[in-house]
Amino acid sequence: SAVISQKPSRDICQRGTSLTIQCQVDSQVTMMFWYRQQPGQSLTLIATANQGSEATYESGFVIDKFPISRPNLTFSTLTVSNMSPEDSSIYLCSVESQGIETQYFGPGTRLLVL
Amino acid sequence: SQQGEEDPQALSIQEGENATMNCSYKTSINNLQWYRQNSGRGLVHLILIRSNEREKHSGRLRVTLDTSKKSSSLLITASRAADTASYFCATDGKGAQKLVFGQGTRLTINP
Repeated sequence: SAVISQKPSRDICQRGTSLTIQCQVDSQVTMMFWYRQQPGQSLTLIATANQGSEATYESGFVIDKFPISRPNLTFSTLTVSNMSPEDSSIYLCSVESQGIETQYFGPGTRLLVL
Repeated sequence: SQQGEEDPQALSIQEGENATMNCSYKTSINNLQWYRQNSGRGLVHLILIRSNEREKHSGRLRVTLDTSKKSSSLLITASRAADTASYFCATDGKGAQKLVFGQGTRLTINP
């Protein structure tokens, strides 16, 4: 399985600021995804990060709030913009490779917004 | 929505006992996966069962799938304290490439 790292692992931020989370994979993957897990809740898909084109966002998530980049097949970033306390969550990236049905997850970024 | 439901929401048992968690979903699927999450960290993939499979084993884990009832169960036998975690099912729907997660079961194994 792919080895996935995320930076930062955790952060405490002030409201109104933005944070960019990085996801790095040790091998080329077909699909990369970003999820949010609010405190005590399950995971919700934010968007699919598409290499070389705009991300595909799920209902309730917009590019202005969660801009995503994916410049190549091993790296993606998620920015949480103009943060409020409601954005306090764990943000996880996941990857899927061609022909492999399993999705593997990074260790997550724990964000607290004050 | 395709989001699954899991029950129980929380389960507390003694070490050595078996733990059973259930998952239900709403639409047709390609496969169903179970994940474990320790203390709000990343998800660890446990097992994948395809829609044409009925049962699968991996070590102390046994997963069943009943597509007619749109439900799955995860059995952990001879539980250990290290099994304490949250367990999530996730479905990969037909025609979709995204996973939809259930609400999860918080499992506590008491020594």
